[in-house]
Amino acid sequence: EADIYQTPRYLVIGTGKKITLECSQTMGHDKMYWYQQDPGMELHLIHYSYGVNSTEKGDLSSESTVSRIRTEHFPLTLESARPSHTSQYLCASSEYLQGAGATQYFGPGTRLLVL
Amino acid sequence: QKEVEQNSGPLSVPEGAIASLNCTYSDRGSQSFFWYRQYSGKSPELIMFIYSNGDKEDGRFTAQLNKASQYVSLLIRDSQPSDSATYLCAVLVIGNQFYFGTGTSLTVIP
Repeated sequence: EADIYQTPRYLVIGTGKKITLECSQTMGHDKMYWYQQDPGMELHLIHYSYGVNSTEKGDLSSESTVSRIRTEHFPLTLESARPSHTSQYLCASSEYLQGAGATQYFGPGTRLLVL
Repeated sequence: QKEVEQNSGPLSVPEGAIASLNCTYSDRGSQSFFWYRQYSGKSPELIMFIYSNGDKEDGRFTAQLNKASQYVSLLIRDSQPSDSATYLCAVLVIGNQFYFGTGTSLTVIP
């Protein structure tokens, strides 16, 4: 299993502020992901990375950006928060599994409320 | 058509019964299949994965895969109230892309 940490766990912030959601994993996984999930709704992939200096946009159009300067760290930044960004943000990393190819493990999530 | 389809439910079963959760997928090149459990307000937790046709058992959980029918299921035997959660089906396709279903809400009634 992966140890994945996300901070902050909860964030309430005003419109227009710049925020960075932190995600770190200690298992040396190359692949990391950011998902957005509204309560009771499906997961939407917003960004992913296959390794250092690799970042890609996911299926859901997002105004956020990510960086991957170190293997263990995959922060997500919103330059100017808006109420529409209110959601839960889940970070995940992927581990190679014999036979299965790979699987994903999720961090605890960050609940963001933009006023 | 979505990559992964699940019945949204809600599914209700009495305590001690078998809960059956179903999932279909569209990409015949899908490599492996996963079931996650998500409690309200929490992040998804991996329960099981399967990549070969047939059944795979782990305690009270059994995953079933039929690649010809593009169908994956999860059976929960002796259902407990603590099993009440949303269950997400996920598929890994070639290229290491994961696709998640919308989830099925399960309630186990004491």
